[in-house]
Amino acid sequence: DAGVIQSPRHEVTEMGQEVTLRCKPISGHNSLFWYRQTMMRGLELLIYFNNNVPIDDSGMPEDRFSAKMPNASFSTLKIQPSEPRDSAVYFCASSPGERLNTEAFFGQGTRLTVV
Amino acid sequence: SQQGEEDPQALSIQEGENATMNCSYKTSINNLQWYRQNSGRGLVHLILIRSNEREKHSGRLRVTLDTSKKSSSLLITASRAADTASYFCATAGSGNTGKLIFGQGTTLQVKP
Repeated sequence: DAGVIQSPRHEVTEMGQEVTLRCKPISGHNSLFWYRQTMMRGLELLIYFNNNVPIDDSGMPEDRFSAKMPNASFSTLKIQPSEPRDSAVYFCASSPGERLNTEAFFGQGTRLTVV
Repeated sequence: SQQGEEDPQALSIQEGENATMNCSYKTSINNLQWYRQNSGRGLVHLILIRSNEREKHSGRLRVTLDTSKKSSSLLITASRAADTASYFCATAGSGNTGKLIFGQGTTLQVKP
């Protein structure tokens, strides 16, 4: 298995533009997480899906952020409009079960720079 | 909000020495996990300890869990330069939601 695949790896965009980050979880995994990592705030959980359904989106910073999981093999995180403070590394992770005691597998991340 | 807090924030040791990192958390958990992150890369799972376990070993790693103190420690024995990375604890809450919350991490530097 190729692991969790994220695209793009790097994204540079101008303030106000729409940004879409993509994630392909590991086949067969039921849970998918989107995290944001910055020096100041560390690793923040943005949203968590189980069986393609958003379970907890309390970490989504504001209405500019939205996430979808149309099927078990694909998820997107969209920022519209983007702002410089959105600059961060965004990670997608998946795990095998809806129950606990399972590890999460992380993608390589998307480094987003908003200028 | 972050669940775990780790200390120290940064640790620098010589190759061959042991490294100990601590993690404290606030709410009841189902399990606690430790991850490693090399610079510019994603996180990699190291070890998981369940709330009813007190100690777990994996190679040169030893993890302890004290649920009464809401704390955990990660010990890396006989460290190597290749262990240089950031280490994070993550907690899975007891509510069975699957939510995994990470601490701020400890940056470990192992000097050759």
